[in-house]
Amino acid sequence: AQSVSQHNHHVILSEAASLELGCNYSYGGTVNLFWYVQYPGQHLQLLLKYFSGDPLVKGIKGFEAEFIKSKFSFNLRKPSVQWSDTAEYFCAVNVNYGGSQGNLIFGKGTKLSVKP
Amino acid sequence: DVKVTQSSRYLVKRTGEKVFLECVQDMDHENMFWYRQDPGLGLRLIYFSYDVKMKEKGDIPEGYSVSREKKERFSLILESASTNQTSMYLCASSQRTSGGSGKLNEQFFGPGTRLTVL
Repeated sequence: AQSVSQHNHHVILSEAASLELGCNYSYGGTVNLFWYVQYPGQHLQLLLKYFSGDPLVKGIKGFEAEFIKSKFSFNLRKPSVQWSDTAEYFCAVNVNYGGSQGNLIFGKGTKLSVKP
Repeated sequence: DVKVTQSSRYLVKRTGEKVFLECVQDMDHENMFWYRQDPGLGLRLIYFSYDVKMKEKGDIPEGYSVSREKKERFSLILESASTNQTSMYLCASSQRTSGGSGKLNEQFFGPGTRLTVL
């Protein structure tokens, strides 16, 4: 069965530090990749997504992610975090079964705490 | 502005009660989903629906059922609530994937219902 692994359960950084959150998936075919964020007390919202083309994807709030097919990875990065980036981050993968709808498979999430 | 609403933010029920969680979206989306979110487990798909009156089991359907009588509304039903169903329940919706495009459309999430079963 397909799965998504997020390597870090909880990451603690100081403001202005660089961020990289790992995400690996287990499927060799065509995938659609997503990062969602959940700020404290708020609903999940999309940060960025990758379908095809340029493997470096830019999202909202200065986040970006790089799809590396050979490593089955889609790591999330931000050069300089802010206190307001404190949130839980979820990587999700959709396995593309041709014409089927497919569903999202979520990782277990990574909590990011940014110290002011 | 796109919107997915859920009937309650917080709900407390007793073991054995029948529980209804309602979700409404105003984006004319074909697809609707119910997830539960638990600490350390991420989001797990309970049921989903690609059309009115249509439903499919997700990864953890046991103890749950769903109803989709209208396109905009997707209900999750706990037939007989148990303490292990205490959780955060999230509803989401998305447009139908374009045939052959391979692009899964973004899912939009509601604010969640935190259910406690005593």
